[in-house]
Parts: sequence; structure tokens; C-alpha cells
Amino acid sequence: EVQLVQSGAEVKKPGESLKISCKGSGYSFRNHWIAWVRQMPGKGLEWMGIIYPGDSDTKYSPSFQGQVTISVDMSTNTAYLQWRSLKASDTATYYCARGDVLDYWGQGTLVTVSS
Amino acid sequence: QTVVTQEPSLTVSPGGTVTLTCASNTGAVTNSYYPNWFQQRPGQPPRPLIYSTTNKHSWTPARFSGSLLGGKAALTLSGVQPEDEAEYYCLLYYSGAWVFGGGTKLTVL
Repeated sequence: EVQLVQSGAEVKKPGESLKISCKGSGYSFRNHWIAWVRQMPGKGLEWMGIIYPGDSDTKYSPSFQGQVTISVDMSTNTAYLQWRSLKASDTATYYCARGDVLDYWGQGTLVTVSS
Repeated sequence: QTVVTQEPSLTVSPGGTVTLTCASNTGAVTNSYYPNWFQQRPGQPPRPLIYSTTNKHSWTPARFSGSLLGGKAALTLSGVQPEDEAEYYCLLYYSGAWVFGGGTKLTVL
């Protein structure tokens, strides 16, 4: 069974750093892209970027380029999304999803940034 | 800036048929945009329905179908059920990156 399991909810202050995770199982992790999607409270879906675990090829939406970093650890079948300095506007639920057709999704990680 | 536009809201009666559309500000949507469609109910992750314009996932109910219509991607629901009330998002491909539409809130009334 294909599963993407994300790390738990986070509460952070502005300016803090954060790295959230997405662990894949039940399929060949290295051969499928992993995408990250943002959903701000009460708003729509936003495609942030995508990484190919096999060679770490990464592509970002222009809206998120330079704002976040997507990475992967092949030894643990885990993809990551990280921020160096969080802003209140980063408050959202973040989803990871498999492949460029986003056929399987994680449960989402709620990130709250508040002073 | 690439903008993908969907109807903000639509209402359909149970058993009826409704078509949701997805337009690009870059021009007509073609198969090269690999349109995807997702359903999202409150508090849940999105659920994939259609990929590459017309292809259904193994779990996609038969009443959902995808197409191109008048320069847009389209999602048609035939024989709408009460459980189809949800937000629907399209996703289009643009040279290495993807862009979601703003979503359509479908009400079954």
C-alpha cells in the first residue's frame, strides 16, 4: 500500500527555522517525484515545488523559489520542506504528494507561525 | 504571471449534470498542459480524480469525466450525488512547473 506520512503539527515564532518531513512507503521511492503543496487557512491549493529522489532534481514555483528548500534523504525514503526564517504568512497546511499526477497524498502538516 | 481560472462556485441538483472548467491566461488549454482534477472535502487532503485530461484513477467514480472544451479543461459530473458536494481544483503544467486553479465550490442542492 502506497503511503506518505507527514510529520506532526508545528507552532513556531517569526524568524525561526523549520523542516517538515514526508516519508514514503509501499513503492519505489527513488522513482517517483514528490511535490509539496500549500493551503493557507480557508484558501486554495498552491503548488510549491517538486523533487525527484533518484537524482534530487528539483523545480520550484516562481512564487516559492528562494523562500523554501525542498530536499530528500534516500536512506530513509523521506522528503523535506524547510524554511530558514518563518513569517506569519507561512501559516498553512502543507501537503506532500507523489508524482507529477499527485496520485497519493500525505495527511498534511499544519504549520502555525505566531509571535 | 501564470493564472489558472475556475468558476468560483456552481450549484447542481442531485442526479443532474454539471461541467466545471479550467482556463489559462496563456491561451487555450491543450493536452500539453496535462490537466489534472482534484476533489477536496473540508478537513481532508485533496483526492485525485483525473490526470492527463481524460484519465481516471482506479478509485475515480464512473460519473466523473475529463475533457477539453472550448479551449479549457473540463470536468463533468453526470448523475451528481450528494457526496459530490466539495471543492474541485484543476492543475495545469507549464514547462517544468505546475499551477493550481483557484478552485470551484460545488453545491448539491
